Amino acid sequence: AQSVAQPEDQVNVAEGNPLTVKCTYSVSGNPYLFWYVQYPNRGLQFLLKYITGDNLVKGSYGFEAEFNKSQTSFHLKKPSALVSDSALYFCAVRVADAGNMLTFGGGTRLMVKP
Amino acid sequence: DVKVTQSSRYLVKRTGEKVFLECVQDMDHENMFWYRQDPGLGLRLIYFSYDVKMKEKGDIPEGYSVSREKKERFSLILESASTNQTSMYLCASTPSRHNEQFFGPGTRLTVL
Repeated sequence: AQSVAQPEDQVNVAEGNPLTVKCTYSVSGNPYLFWYVQYPNRGLQFLLKYITGDNLVKGSYGFEAEFNKSQTSFHLKKPSALVSDSALYFCAVRVADAGNMLTFGGGTRLMVKP
Repeated sequence: DVKVTQSSRYLVKRTGEKVFLECVQDMDHENMFWYRQDPGLGLRLIYFSYDVKMKEKGDIPEGYSVSREKKERFSLILESASTNQTSMYLCASTPSRHNEQFFGPGTRLTVL
């Protein structure tokens, strides 16, 4: 079985400071990893993904994430947070070559204060 | 741009009613999904479909059924709605397992 953990329900950061939203996963096999963002009363929007290759993945809106196989982590980062980054963030995992089912973490609410 | 639309943003139904949630995508994607989203639980997969008339159970299929008669349309059916089915329902599609999923805006269903 595959699983994803987002250990923080909420992350608070001041505008202009770096932010990190944590994600760890458990799969049997090679993972495909995804980050999505959800703004209030909206569906999920894709931010970035890791399939293979470079462990540092860059995505939309200045976000990036680093795949760390030994720590089974895929933390989302941004060097300088904006108030408009405040939203709900979801990490998701799928096992490579094992169907289409994504498993999502419980979500982390990011609050960026001016 | 890929567009995934859902028939209603907000829906209020009574216990025991039959409920239909419709999802349409305009990018000829093979795969479509229905999730429910509840606070602290993230998204949980109800059903998915990888082709017309094909369906597979997800993690929480009990109390739900689905229909995919056309490639662009994937319907979620609550045969007899119950209060514990009050939730946000999200539809998604993707062309292949290597790609990200594209989500609709969601339907917030309240069962009274």
